[in-house]
Amino acid sequence: ETGVTQTPRHLVMGMTNKKSLKCEQHLGHNAMYWYKQSAKKPLELMFVYSLEERVENNSVPSRFSPECPNSSHLFLHLHTLQPEDSALYLCASSQARGNSPLHFGNGTRLTVT
Amino acid sequence: GESVGLHLPTLSVQEGDNSIINCAYSNSASDYFIWYKQESGKGPQFIIDIRSNMDKRQGQRVTVLLNKTVKHLSLQIAATQPGDSAVYFCAENLLGNTGKLIFGQGTTLQVKP
Repeated sequence: ETGVTQTPRHLVMGMTNKKSLKCEQHLGHNAMYWYKQSAKKPLELMFVYSLEERVENNSVPSRFSPECPNSSHLFLHLHTLQPEDSALYLCASSQARGNSPLHFGNGTRLTVT
Repeated sequence: GESVGLHLPTLSVQEGDNSIINCAYSNSASDYFIWYKQESGKGPQFIIDIRSNMDKRQGQRVTVLLNKTVKHLSLQIAATQPGDSAVYFCAENLLGNTGKLIFGQGTTLQVKP
């Protein structure tokens, strides 16, 4: 069982909806990440929070809005998405300092209709 | 720009044989490398990592080899089992950029019984 839990596992939403993805980590890490995984493409880094401060926004459209209220929780708020935003959204956590591996959740499979 | 690539999109091996999955990276400033395994419906799972001051590291049934001269990384799986069937990703971390991993496209390992 992963130490990083993502909910929901599946989400179908229309282009005018507003929804949020939730991530919680139980590993005592202090950095959290959102990645996007699309078919036939490498994982794409979206956002990085280190010590609860956003340190990376990898040119992500404003229709994606992250929130990190504490070091254990991370949200991704979605609004007015496009069909091309359909993908697997993965949350990960790690230690903020030094080389340490990221630990991933099982993702939210998002379908935008 | 930087990229991490895998030589083969699919690798098919017989159960019990050894598997070798290759990865080429392009950035000589990368100092940390990770191999992940992703099974269907799950997030990437950490397998093994290696720092640039090493050229070999062994785990349980897995070995990672790093050749900095030709910027090549490989994952060797001994006595491959059906449960090893998955997509394998290599990832590199640029010096000083903790957590901002660059992922390759992935190699699908198929284990034939």
